[in-house]
Amino acid sequence: DADVTQTPRNRITKTGKRIMLECSQTKGHDRMYWYRQDPGLGLRLIYYSFDVKDINKGEISDGYSVSRQAQAKFSLSLESAIPNQTALYFCATSELGDPNEKLFFGSGTQLSVL
Amino acid sequence: RKEVEQDPGPFNVPEGATVAFNCTYSNSASQSFFWYRQDCRKEPKLLMSVYSSGNEDGRFTAQLNRASQYISLLIRDSKLSDSATYLCVVNMRDNYGQNFVFGPGTRLSVLP
Repeated sequence: DADVTQTPRNRITKTGKRIMLECSQTKGHDRMYWYRQDPGLGLRLIYYSFDVKDINKGEISDGYSVSRQAQAKFSLSLESAIPNQTALYFCATSELGDPNEKLFFGSGTQLSVL
Repeated sequence: RKEVEQDPGPFNVPEGATVAFNCTYSNSASQSFFWYRQDCRKEPKLLMSVYSSGNEDGRFTAQLNRASQYISLLIRDSKLSDSATYLCVVNMRDNYGQNFVFGPGTRLSVLP
């Protein structure tokens, strides 16, 4: 089983719909992240959480919200989806205290907003 | 100026070739450095961390020059399976706290 699991793998939705992308991890890491990737661009940070009570905006948080339901779960919501939110979304985790802190990614969710 | 910049690519090289990728970063307070590999539409996976002393893992060698804010990745004896996009990643303290910042990636195609 994957250490970082994202659901769904693919999602097609219509403009204005609310959708939720889910992420769960079995690595026991405190830190969790949501990134989006667009063709030709690097991964960009949407939101991150360093523990259950901590939520922080990233570079491109507008139009998104998150919920850290437990140490192992971090979900991303699009309150009213728009076409330019069509992208590949990745959840990731990292371990606080690792001197060479590394990211571990889920398999990604391809979201298409029509 | 982008925080992390990479060679634009793509690099098309024959099997067995040696290829080098370059990366520069803007934040001198950056703390740790990595190369990730990403296959098409898949998740990035850590290839190697980059240390000031340089480090090698088989056919892959990474170098860091903090004074020049420059990171490199050298791949020797390229294999078809090395075809992928290589992402330079820097853990820096930016406006959003301490975070990983990704370069746009350099795509490598190793040709038979």
